Amino acid sequence: KAGVTQTPRYLIKTRGQQVTLSCSPISGHRSVSWYQQTPGQGLQFLFEYFSETQRNKGNFPGRFSGRQFSNSRSEMNVSTLELGDSALYLCASSLAGRSLTFFGQGTRLTVV
Amino acid sequence: DQQVKQNSPSLSVQEGRISILNCDYTNSMFDYFLWYKKYPAEGPTFLISISSIKDKNEDGRFTVFLNKSAKHLSLHIVPSQPGDSAVYFCAAQLRGSTLGRLYFGRGTQLTVWP
Repeated sequence: KAGVTQTPRYLIKTRGQQVTLSCSPISGHRSVSWYQQTPGQGLQFLFEYFSETQRNKGNFPGRFSGRQFSNSRSEMNVSTLELGDSALYLCASSLAGRSLTFFGQGTRLTVV
Repeated sequence: DQQVKQNSPSLSVQEGRISILNCDYTNSMFDYFLWYKKYPAEGPTFLISISSIKDKNEDGRFTVFLNKSAKHLSLHIVPSQPGDSAVYFCAAQLRGSTLGRLYFGRGTQLTVWP
């Protein structure tokens, strides 16, 4: 059974650009969450989707957005990139909200 | 506001000895706690969890202890092995919520040396 797949693995963008990250959850999982990891900050929750609906959102500016498709795949978008957006972005999936959460390998975004 | 805290950024232990990683939380509405292990360039992987109705859970070399009155949990690894060297994250979920959000600490880098 394939795990959570995130693409691309690495990305370099320039300040002011926008970026879209993709996540394919484990087959059968309907809940997808996104987290940002920066050095020394742990994992900060971005948002959670279930059945194409955003059910929960963390404390991030509106430049961070996401969506989930009918096949449970998810994308997150960051517009008007800032240097501080450089981070590892992790996607996680679970069968439903409270069940065990599995993480992908992450997308390393570098903003220059 | 960090509701889950791991106050030790790093821990160094000799192979074969016990590793004890600590975690404190401030929100009394947390009722489920998890530990994840993370190697560089990989996503976190689930290690062990504990419900707030228990005070101990064991899985092989890993044991998690929960002290609800102190809002403290710890992960014990016995015996420690070099392959255990990784960053360990403590995480919590809210009681009564159907949402999957995990509240994470900042992690502790464990180094096990031969």
